[in-house]
Amino acid sequence: SQQGEEDPQALSIQEGENATMNCSYKTSINNLQWYRQNSGRGLVHLILIRSNEREKHSGRLRVTLDTSKKSSSLLITASRAADTASYFCATVSNTGGFKTIFGAGTRLFVKA
Amino acid sequence: EPEVTQTPSHQVTQMGQEVILRCVPISNHLYFYWYRQILGQKVEFLVSFYNNEISEKSEIFDDQFSVERPDGSNFTLKIRSTKLEDSAMYFCASTTDSYEQYFGPGTRLTVT
Repeated sequence: SQQGEEDPQALSIQEGENATMNCSYKTSINNLQWYRQNSGRGLVHLILIRSNEREKHSGRLRVTLDTSKKSSSLLITASRAADTASYFCATVSNTGGFKTIFGAGTRLFVKA
Repeated sequence: EPEVTQTPSHQVTQMGQEVILRCVPISNHLYFYWYRQILGQKVEFLVSFYNNEISEKSEIFDDQFSVERPDGSNFTLKIRSTKLEDSAMYFCASTTDSYEQYFGPGTRLTVT
């Protein structure tokens, strides 16, 4: 798989349910970030987790990072129809050049 | 709230022509990026820029591409001789040293 690959590619849930998206990567990272993109719009930063952190929370978002498995997960609790969007993980390398690699994304659809 | 702006929102050009995409990053930010997103595909890193020079660039960022910060506010991406496959959304982003990137709304480039 490529750097920053998410799964599933698409997820459809009912409002109120939790949504979990996973991301895997290959190289050493400084940090991993999750972004959201509404159709045809720019990306919005959601949360950043550094390589020495294991878990982070922000509102209804919970991110975990397992550097030994080179994987991360994003959990959105109590989803809302407005959460419908594409979600991308992005890894920032350790090379010092701030190269940021985005995954292919998970398209989340929350049904009202 | 400060935001990254990009102009134009849509640029149509003929193959072989030069285009300049413009971005105004957030004023106190120090690191600047260009990304592209071909329709339906993932966001691809093009280049990062810090302290008036390129920090890192991807394989996509060949001799046809250049970036410039001509004054204290603008950050531009120039494509010297556009190809059909350059058609994409181009996003500019900026950040302080916190790695959280703020993205502009994008410029849709259509090469005919």
